[in-house]
Amino acid sequence: DAKTTQPPSMDCAEGRAANLPCNHSTISGNEYVYWYRQIHSQGPQYIIHGLKNNETNEMASLIITEDRKSSTLILPHATLRDTAVYYCIVRVIQKVTFGTGTKLQVIP
Amino acid sequence: DAGITQSPRHKVTETGTPVTLRCHQTENHRYMYWYRQDPGHGLRLIHYSYGVKDTDKGEVSDGYSVSRSKTEDFLLTLESATSSQTSVYFCAISESAGEGYEQFFGPGTRLTVL
Repeated sequence: DAKTTQPPSMDCAEGRAANLPCNHSTISGNEYVYWYRQIHSQGPQYIIHGLKNNETNEMASLIITEDRKSSTLILPHATLRDTAVYYCIVRVIQKVTFGTGTKLQVIP
Repeated sequence: DAGITQSPRHKVTETGTPVTLRCHQTENHRYMYWYRQDPGHGLRLIHYSYGVKDTDKGEVSDGYSVSRSKTEDFLLTLESATSSQTSVYFCAISESAGEGYEQFFGPGTRLTVL
């Protein structure tokens, strides 16, 4: 499985866009990039996924570089409720591993 | 929220005792997973199931066994609990392993082994 690298922590001002980077330089051609988040001690929550093209849904946007070696999750208008740990994962089979993620702190 | 429940939600047990955690879903999803979460390690896959009686190992399967006799239930058993198995355990489900699937997670079980 491709491994991912994320910064351990980031801060973002409330109302501003939060841009969370992820490096996945060993990703294979058929592996998807997925983003989840975990608020406090709750179970992880799915956010978005993509293969090659940029994706957008009601929660976030996902920008994947053309070489697919990195991606960025964008929360367009961060709120205090977006404070969480964000996980970037790649998978092609079931044996996926979540890393330690990025702890995003949204500041009032 | 996806219909996933875990029981018990909290458990304290002693080293050497057997422990069984239960995951129950009402979504009729084919795939079910057990993860553990420890500080500094993120979530790690223990076992998963791709159908009734069909299971496979994950990254950290040693010391754990699983069973799935019905679509809706996935059991995780620690035959002889050790202190290193103190963790938060999450169950997850997904409809498919194909492209674009997503996993829905349960609320977690906090297990303490003394």
